[in-house]
Amino acid sequence: AQSVTQPDIHITVSEGASLELRCNYSYGATPYLFWYVQSPGQGLQLLLKYFSGDTLVQGIKGFEAEFKRSQSSFNLRKPSVHWSDAAEYFCAVGAASYKLSFGAGTTVTVRA
Amino acid sequence: NAGVTQTPKFQVLKTGQSMTLQCAQDMNHEYMSWYRQDPGMGLRLIHYSVGAGITDQGEVPNGYNVSRSTTEDFPLRLLSAAPSQTSVYFCASSSSAPPGADTQYFGPGTRLTVL
Repeated sequence: AQSVTQPDIHITVSEGASLELRCNYSYGATPYLFWYVQSPGQGLQLLLKYFSGDTLVQGIKGFEAEFKRSQSSFNLRKPSVHWSDAAEYFCAVGAASYKLSFGAGTTVTVRA
Repeated sequence: NAGVTQTPKFQVLKTGQSMTLQCAQDMNHEYMSWYRQDPGMGLRLIHYSVGAGITDQGEVPNGYNVSRSTTEDFPLRLLSAAPSQTSVYFCASSSSAPPGADTQYFGPGTRLTVL
């Protein structure tokens, strides 16, 4: 069975500082990996996804993520955080099926 | 192009009442799904559809029914509401592949409270 772990429930970062959100997955084959962002009171929006190829993936809003098969990880990074990046972030793992498993989410707070 | 729309935004029910959460998309997507979001648990799939007339169960289907008579609409019915169904419900669609293998486009959600 596939599963996702996001070890950090809440992260606080200063505006302009770098951000890294951790994601570890469990899946028997090469997974499809996603990062979604949810702003307060909103639905989820795709930041980026990895299906195959280059293990460093670029997304929207200046985010990137790196797939590391040996570590079963897909960590999300941003070099310089803006106040508008305050949100909840979800990592998800899928396959060529209906099943998409989400992590519990990491809430990011940005302080001035 | 409105994307995925959901109504209502908020709803309060009493235990035992029934209701339908509406979901519509105008992107001509084949795949549609319903999720519930609970604190500390991420999103869990309730039901999904791979096209008009075809639906199937997800991880947490008990207490919910769905049907898909058109490509655009995918309503979720609560048959007899229970406090355990208090949650935020999201509808999502994807264009060319199942949810696990394609970008999901989410609606804004319905916040449901069952007393």
